[in-house]
Amino acid sequence: DTGVSQNPRHKITKRGQNVTFRCDPISEHNRLYWYRQTLGQGPEFLTYFQNEAQLEKSRLLSDRFSAERPKGSFSTLEIQRTEQGDSAMYLCASSFPGLVYEQYFGPGTRLTVT
Amino acid sequence: KNEVEQSPQNLTAQEGEFITINCSYSVGISALHWLQQHPGGGIVSLFMLSSGKKKHGRLIATINIQEKHSSLHITASHPRDSAVYICAVITPGNQFYFGTGTSLTVIP
Repeated sequence: DTGVSQNPRHKITKRGQNVTFRCDPISEHNRLYWYRQTLGQGPEFLTYFQNEAQLEKSRLLSDRFSAERPKGSFSTLEIQRTEQGDSAMYLCASSFPGLVYEQYFGPGTRLTVT
Repeated sequence: KNEVEQSPQNLTAQEGEFITINCSYSVGISALHWLQQHPGGGIVSLFMLSSGKKKHGRLIATINIQEKHSSLHITASHPRDSAVYICAVITPGNQFYFGTGTSLTVIP
């Protein structure tokens, strides 16, 4: 399978715990995006990378959120001290460089904070 | 006010009907995407537009940059088209905005 993959697919955690998600993009894609989607809403942009450089961060990305793409391949999104409001689907997408290229989405990681 | 507004929010159609979903936006854009999301969450990019019109199978997407409006049309709709259709725009300043989606149900 050469699509975008995300792990884990589901994560249940207790409030206050830290969680980390991983995204493996399509190998030829330089751009990698993270989005968050809550039930009944469209996705919200969180951040994106070109290679290992984090080029844009949404104001939604509080200090508790950090994303990395250390070697320009896979990326991780970490949420520290999770809150119930963090419960959402976290989506990753990748594309060729340039905003005019279509993005390919992964299946998402569903986070439930209890 | 959302930067991207879609209409209708919900749409039910009989199989075979011609369907139109509208997207209006209030910001300057470099590109507009139409996305399809099936139950279970998987998102597929249908079109990326910066001008004019694109067609893929039974799907047609148009955009009018001056009017800040795009439409997604589905011809000869089929139950497998049932999904949420999301409009998303990217500004020249790399800001991403998404609509809340249009939930389409096509009845056999």
